[in-house]
This record gives sequence, structure tokens and C-alpha cells, in this order.
Amino acid sequence: AQSVTQLGSHVSVSEGALVLLRCNYSSSVPPYLFWYVQYPNQGLQLLLKYTSAATLVKGINGFEAEFKKSETSFHLTKPSAHMSDAAEYFCAVSGGSGTYKYIFGTGTRLKVLA
Amino acid sequence: DARVTQTPRHKVTEMGQEVTMRCQPILGHNTVFWYRQTMMQGLELLAYFRNRAPLDDSGMPKDRFSAEMPDATLATLKIQPSEPRDSAVYFCASGLMANQPQHFGDGTRLSIL
Repeated sequence: AQSVTQLGSHVSVSEGALVLLRCNYSSSVPPYLFWYVQYPNQGLQLLLKYTSAATLVKGINGFEAEFKKSETSFHLTKPSAHMSDAAEYFCAVSGGSGTYKYIFGTGTRLKVLA
Repeated sequence: DARVTQTPRHKVTEMGQEVTMRCQPILGHNTVFWYRQTMMQGLELLAYFRNRAPLDDSGMPKDRFSAEMPDATLATLKIQPSEPRDSAVYFCASGLMANQPQHFGDGTRLSIL
């Protein structure tokens, strides 16, 4: 069965500092992995996706994530945090062959300090 | 940009009343998902449809919740009778394939008094 673990329910960084949000997954089949962002009172928006092409995936708003099979990780990074990055971030793994379900992590709320 | 549209955006009603939430998936998307988000439980999958057929509704309380797709452009989620513990934000999402992203609507914020 698939699972996703996001370490740290809350992360605070200073404006301009590196953003690192952690995601580890478990999957018995090659996974499809996604990062979503949720701003207040909005739905989830796709940041980036990994679907077995390049292991370093670039997304919107300057975010990127690296798929590391040996570490079963898909951490999200951004070199320099902006105030507008404050939001909740969700990692998700696709449920594998025969299912269209995502397994979502519990989310990480990012706070950006001025 | 194509969007998933959910109505209503907000709903306040009294316990025992029927609640109907609607979702218009992105044109051409054949997979539709219903999620519920609360502070305590996070994001939960309630049900999903593929080509209008229900594939999995194991996350949905069967006694009071029902989900349907009358046609390819409309999905509905009904609660009857509603209870205060149903208060949450309900999201609809649509997609095409397992390796393609799900696209989310802005949700219906439901408050049951």
C-alpha cells in the first residue's frame, strides 16, 4: 500500500532563506508524486509532478523537487522564500496501477518571517 | 484556464437539513473526486468516479452521504440528514489519468448548526 509522510506540520523560514519541505513515500510500484499548495480559502493548486521522467522536477513559483528512489523521498525546495509563499503544502503519491486515487500527506504549513 | 467549479461556495444550515453540493469538472476530464477537509482529519477522500461510474466510495458515511454523476458535466454530493460533525470544506477535483494531476475546485465551506 502507498503512504506519504510529511515531516514537520509547521515550518518557519525567514524571507530570502532556503525553503525545504520534506516528503517521504512508500510505494510497491513506481510512484507518481505531486506537490500541491493551498492558500487560505482556496483549493489545492499543483506545484509540480514527478512521473518517472527527470528526477529533478521544476515547478511554478520557483519551486523544485528531487525524486530520490534510494531514500524514498521527494523533498520540495525553493532557494529564496518570499512572503507570498506562506501557505500549506501537500505531498501526494498516486495510488498505483488500477487506481486513480492519491494518497495525501498531512500537510506542512509554511510561515515566512519578514 | 479551465477550472473545476463548485457551488455553493458557502452553506450554513441547521442540523437535519438536506445539503447538496455541486461540481462541474473540467471539460473532458473523466475522473471526479470528492474530498473533505477538516482541521482534525486533514484531507479525506470520500468517493471518486471514472466515466461517471462510482469506483470507490469507501471513505463516505453510507447512511447519510450519497454521491452521483447525473451527466459528465455534473457531480453531486448530498448529505441527508446533516449533522454538526459534517461541518467541513468539501472539495471536488477532476482528472484524466493516474499519472496526471488532479485539478481542484475552490471548495464548499459547510457549517451545520
